[in-house]
Amino acid sequence: EDQVTQSPEALRLQEGESSSLNCSYTVSGLRGLFWYRQDPGKGPEFLFTLYSAGEEKEKERLKATLTKKESFLHITAPKPEDSATYLCAVQNAGNNRKLIWGLGTSLAVNP
Amino acid sequence: DAGVIQSPRHEVTEMGQEVTLRCKPISGHDYLFWYRQTMMRGLELLIYFNNNVPIDDSGMPEDRFSAKMPNASFSTLKIQPSEPRDSAVYFCASSSPRGRVSQETQYFGPGTRLLVL
Repeated sequence: EDQVTQSPEALRLQEGESSSLNCSYTVSGLRGLFWYRQDPGKGPEFLFTLYSAGEEKEKERLKATLTKKESFLHITAPKPEDSATYLCAVQNAGNNRKLIWGLGTSLAVNP
Repeated sequence: DAGVIQSPRHEVTEMGQEVTLRCKPISGHDYLFWYRQTMMRGLELLIYFNNNVPIDDSGMPEDRFSAKMPNASFSTLKIQPSEPRDSAVYFCASSSPRGRVSQETQYFGPGTRLLVL
């Protein structure tokens, strides 16, 4: 069964304190791994898609990496505006367009 | 583009009442997804449509839930009768893969926060 586990559940950082969020997955053939950001009271907002092990993508202070078993979202020198819940999802290689979602990591960055 | 539009944004109803949630996908997108989000279970896919046709409804919890997409610009999710355990945030999302993996991104609406008393 396809499954996604995110850790930690919650993370509190000081502004400028870099860290990483983890997304472990099991899937019957990976079509894509997605990272989203969700602010309170809003819908998830797309960040990155990764397709194969070794791939990396960057956007401002965020960098996502992918291996055959997990993905990391590295946050470098975070700012308070990076505070949000970060969600990971996978899509298997079948024709189904379903995404399997993790429960997310709630990130708080203190000034 | 205005993005995915959902209405209402908030709904409070009493147990047993019918609830109808509405969604307008991004123009030109041919996939539409309905999700439910709770603290305990996270985001769960309820059903998705391709070109207005339901493709996978395996996530619909029970017969009290139904979804329709009468045309490319409108979809509804109906709960009848509603129960307190249906309280959650319901999201609609759309995408336009057109056969290209790079276009699989789903774009979400703001959600409808449903409370059933």
